Amino acid sequence: GAVVSQHPSRVICKSGTSVKIECRSLDFQATTMFWYRQFPKQSLMLMATSNEGSKATYEQGVEKDKFLINHASLTLSTLTVTSAHPEDSSFYICSARDSGGPDTQYFGPGTRLTVL
Amino acid sequence: GENVEQHPSTLSVQEGDSAVIKCTYSDSASNYFPWYKQELGKRPQLIIDIRSNVGEKKDQRIAVTLNKTAKHFSLHITETQPEDSAVYFCAASMGGADGLTFGKGTHLIIQP
Repeated sequence: GAVVSQHPSRVICKSGTSVKIECRSLDFQATTMFWYRQFPKQSLMLMATSNEGSKATYEQGVEKDKFLINHASLTLSTLTVTSAHPEDSSFYICSARDSGGPDTQYFGPGTRLTVL
Repeated sequence: GENVEQHPSTLSVQEGDSAVIKCTYSDSASNYFPWYKQELGKRPQLIIDIRSNVGEKKDQRIAVTLNKTAKHFSLHITETQPEDSAVYFCAASMGGADGLTFGKGTHLIIQP
């Protein structure tokens, strides 16, 4: 149980394009999902908290107009990187917390974004 | 906001020996402390967690201790095996809808 999927696993795009990443909780409902970014050989940094049916909460320094988050259902959150640039290249990982369970966050497999 | 410090950044131990990784946190409101193992290019996997109302938790070869007064917590791995080689991250949060603040990670190397 407690499986989180993420799609796509890898994407390469040209500078200026937008990329959408999906995060799904497969066997549980998640009122709250989280988006993290991880640069090579570095730690995970929380970008934003995605709340079902309401606006996301962004961490300081994260541009909400650049990283659009939508949490339209209890099992799906999407992150759209708008007008991507090479400095946005990173490993984006989502996590989800079971609404009816403890504080455990289950992570998706991540999306490797490369912007040329 | 919360700040989590983790040491050491790299730890090399002989197979069969024990490994200890230490973390400190700054926000006394944090009450949930998970540890994750991450292999290269893979997702972080939860290996053990502890809440602030407990001082110690053990699961087979893995244990975590928490000193709430000193704001530090540690991961202990006994009888290390080659498959324990990975990067380990500690994290802290207030639980619930609060995101995790991660330490910088420890690269654990098990020498055969």
